[in-house]
Amino acid sequence: DVKVTQSSRYLVKRTGEKVFLECVQDMDHENMFWYRQDPGLGLRLIYFSYDVKMKEKGDIPEGYSVSREKKERFSLILESASTNQTSMYLCATDLGSTTDTQYFGPGTRLTVL
Amino acid sequence: GNSVTQMEGPVTLSEEAFLTINCTYTATGYPSLFWYVQYPGEGLQLLLKATKADDKGSNKGFEATYRKETTSFHLEKGSVQVSDSAVYFCALISRNYGQNFVFGPGTRLSVLP
Repeated sequence: DVKVTQSSRYLVKRTGEKVFLECVQDMDHENMFWYRQDPGLGLRLIYFSYDVKMKEKGDIPEGYSVSREKKERFSLILESASTNQTSMYLCATDLGSTTDTQYFGPGTRLTVL
Repeated sequence: GNSVTQMEGPVTLSEEAFLTINCTYTATGYPSLFWYVQYPGEGLQLLLKATKADDKGSNKGFEATYRKETTSFHLEKGSVQVSDSAVYFCALISRNYGQNFVFGPGTRLSVLP
């Protein structure tokens, strides 16, 4: 079974802090994704990566950056956290074929005070 | 661009009732269609999928049929259980056109004993 782990389940930070969310997968998948989940809005794609050191902006990249130095690890960085970044953050991976499934981590619920 | 529309929730049913959650989509090319489920406090996990028109995906008593003529992928279950209480997301991907996954807003289902 694919295992996707996220560094924290719950996180509380102050406005202006730099925040790191880490995601690690154990299945040698090429593609990794960061989403945020908000009530009534579903999942929105923040950033994704198809390879090491490669990154692409998703639909809502503003206020975020990412890092992928190793294939199994994909980090989401909030350079200066703001209250409107309070949300559930989900990491996902897939193989990249036409019909492949995305596998999700358990999520990190971030609260910015 | 691609999009997914789901029926508004929440949906509240009694145990053993029949469930339908509607999903319609707009997509370029020939997408693959998915239903994901999110149990409380967890990430998303694949429930079922269909990769071409008229395919039926099924799992754990849930079914959905890929209807190209009506661009729909409605989720059904004949007899729901309390343990089916969760949020259900319809999703699609059309990789042949360079697209990532697109998720609907989610439908919360509560099943009462």
